[in-house]
Amino acid sequence: NAGVTQTPKFQVLKTGQSMTLQCAQDMNHNSMYWYRQDPGMGLRLIYYSASEGTTDKGEVPNGYNVSRLNKREFSLRLESAAPSQTSVYFCASSEVPAYNEQFFGPGTRLTVL
Amino acid sequence: RKEVEQDPGPFNVPEGATVAFNCTYSNSASQSFFWYRQDCRKEPKLLMSVYSSGNEDGRFTAQLNRASQYISLLIRDSKLSDSATYLCVVPGTGGFKTIFGAGTRLFVKA
Repeated sequence: NAGVTQTPKFQVLKTGQSMTLQCAQDMNHNSMYWYRQDPGMGLRLIYYSASEGTTDKGEVPNGYNVSRLNKREFSLRLESAAPSQTSVYFCASSEVPAYNEQFFGPGTRLTVL
Repeated sequence: RKEVEQDPGPFNVPEGATVAFNCTYSNSASQSFFWYRQDCRKEPKLLMSVYSSGNEDGRFTAQLNRASQYISLLIRDSKLSDSATYLCVVPGTGGFKTIFGAGTRLFVKA
């Protein structure tokens, strides 16, 4: 039982490049989330998926797109990376949204030059 | 008021000390709250849930004050291993969103 897994763990991009961050969970959770964490600002919600087949914007969605591929997988895409997207990205999942524990993946450290 | 605010920290305490963190929130309709712990360069992990007036788990006590709209985390008999960042989490508006505080850093020293 791996919990929540994320790939890659580290990535360096040049401005304008694109990439997809992958996330998968094996806990049969309905809800999945993408956060970014910047120093002094806590975790900010980028997008979430309350259930398979649905996605919604969070607090900071600009510059990102998501795909809920199936119940297990939720990917985050940066179409044209910008230095302001340098951050640590965490994927999380939960049984039901907001009212239960969220389980986090180990994070992806992204640097955009 | 921001949706959630935490004590700025860092807190530097000796082993065995008692330390308390506060977290204020703005959404008076919030029903459930959480404290997460985050070790350096690791993912957050749930420490405690706070659903009603409070919750206790060993050396950790979380309390909720609805009238003043804050939650607190009390750590008794601090251990070196308690050194971490503690994140306060409250539900945001819309039900599916959760709002994380910026975190309070705790350093426990021998």
